[in-house]
Amino acid sequence: ETGVTQTPRHLVMGMTNKKSLKCEQHLGHNAMYWYKQSAKKPLELMFVYNFKEQTENNSVPSRFSPECPNSSHLFLHLHTLQPEDSALYLCASSQGARQETLAFFGQGTRLTVV
Amino acid sequence: GENVEQHPSTLSVQEGDSAVIKCTYSDSASNYFPWYKQELGKGPQLIIDIRSNVGEKKDQRIAVTLNKTAKHFSLHITETQPEDSAVYFCAAPPYGNQGGKLIFGQGTELSVKP
Repeated sequence: ETGVTQTPRHLVMGMTNKKSLKCEQHLGHNAMYWYKQSAKKPLELMFVYNFKEQTENNSVPSRFSPECPNSSHLFLHLHTLQPEDSALYLCASSQGARQETLAFFGQGTRLTVV
Repeated sequence: GENVEQHPSTLSVQEGDSAVIKCTYSDSASNYFPWYKQELGKGPQLIIDIRSNVGEKKDQRIAVTLNKTAKHFSLHITETQPEDSAVYFCAAPPYGNQGGKLIFGQGTELSVKP
């Protein structure tokens, strides 16, 4: 266990559904991230949060809506997704703004959009 | 921006042999290079990292080397075991960015045959 917990581990949703992914870190970190991992592609950074404030949105479609109520919790709200959004969604956390800080990942949520 | 290239994409070795995975990066100001191991159904796990002020770092059967002049770094696994089978990712945070904002290589699927 890395101290980063994601739920659910698997999710199947229809294109008209609304669902949320949850991430919780127990490491006392100040920064949290959402990554998308699709087959045959490198991990892609989606969002960055520092001290609850969003500092980066990597041109992610608005059907993905992140929320960070505190430094320990991160959500990704999903609505009207497309089949191509099916992927492994990974949450990560790190201590903060220094480049050399280590990033730890959760186990991911395997999302399938039908 | 930073670009990370990783080779090979697949690597098959016999148990007990060594495995080497190579990565190149483009941002000469990057100064921290982590390696992640991802087993099937799990999130990426940090296995070793190297800072730019050293040329090599070892941790038991795993070592990483860095050549800043050539802008490449490599992962070396000696005495490979079947449990080393996984996908390995190299990464680099672009200079000025925090450690969790990573640019990943494409991944290397390592298969260790007993």
